[in-house]
Amino acid sequence: QQQVKQSPQSLIVQKGGISIINCAYENTAFDYFPWYQQFPGKGPALLIAIRPDVSEKKEGRFTISFNKSAKQFSLHIMDSQPGDSATYFCAASSTNGQNFVFGPGTRLSVLP
Amino acid sequence: EAGVVQSPRYKIIEKKQPVAFWCNPISGHNTLYWYLQNLGQGPELLIRYENEEAVDDSQLPKDRFSAERLKGVDSTLKIQPAELGDSAVYLCASSKERATEAFFGQGTRLTVV
Repeated sequence: QQQVKQSPQSLIVQKGGISIINCAYENTAFDYFPWYQQFPGKGPALLIAIRPDVSEKKEGRFTISFNKSAKQFSLHIMDSQPGDSATYFCAASSTNGQNFVFGPGTRLSVLP
Repeated sequence: EAGVVQSPRYKIIEKKQPVAFWCNPISGHNTLYWYLQNLGQGPELLIRYENEEAVDDSQLPKDRFSAERLKGVDSTLKIQPAELGDSAVYLCASSKERATEAFFGQGTRLTVV
């Protein structure tokens, strides 16, 4: 039941570069879209989240872009650092009861 | 503020044995989730609680898995009997309510041998 698709599966970026991860969803009832960062041996940690009433949200080096008509959203990591090397998951949920559904994840490696 | 606490962190058991995981959510969080995460994959929901009520357990293999959330706070997830394919990380998460920030514990890594 892959309701959220995520790409790429893995990504290698040079230090200082921009990392871009894309997600697409199917259920138009989704109205909350978080991104999680997970390091090996740790639980997912909430990074940034957006609701459909805005098209972009920025927190520090992390930006979510949201396209409601295309049912797509993306994470941009500016000035990527080796410490950003982790697995990133997009997710989607709705206030009408649909649970959090996660994408399959993107493994990001930032080279020093 | 303490985060979501899970125990144990690691568990190794023989197949057909029972196992239980415990979760203490963030204080004041009414919604509690149990997720299963296989290596290299995203978390998959097993069960969601709103206070004491299990409002979505459609993905919980009820022949061997059970869960409870006493007094709407702590929760336990049990597997009996465990199978080799149950080897995974079991994650607990909590949020104030649906579709809001969900915070995860560190998970319990189960290995069934």
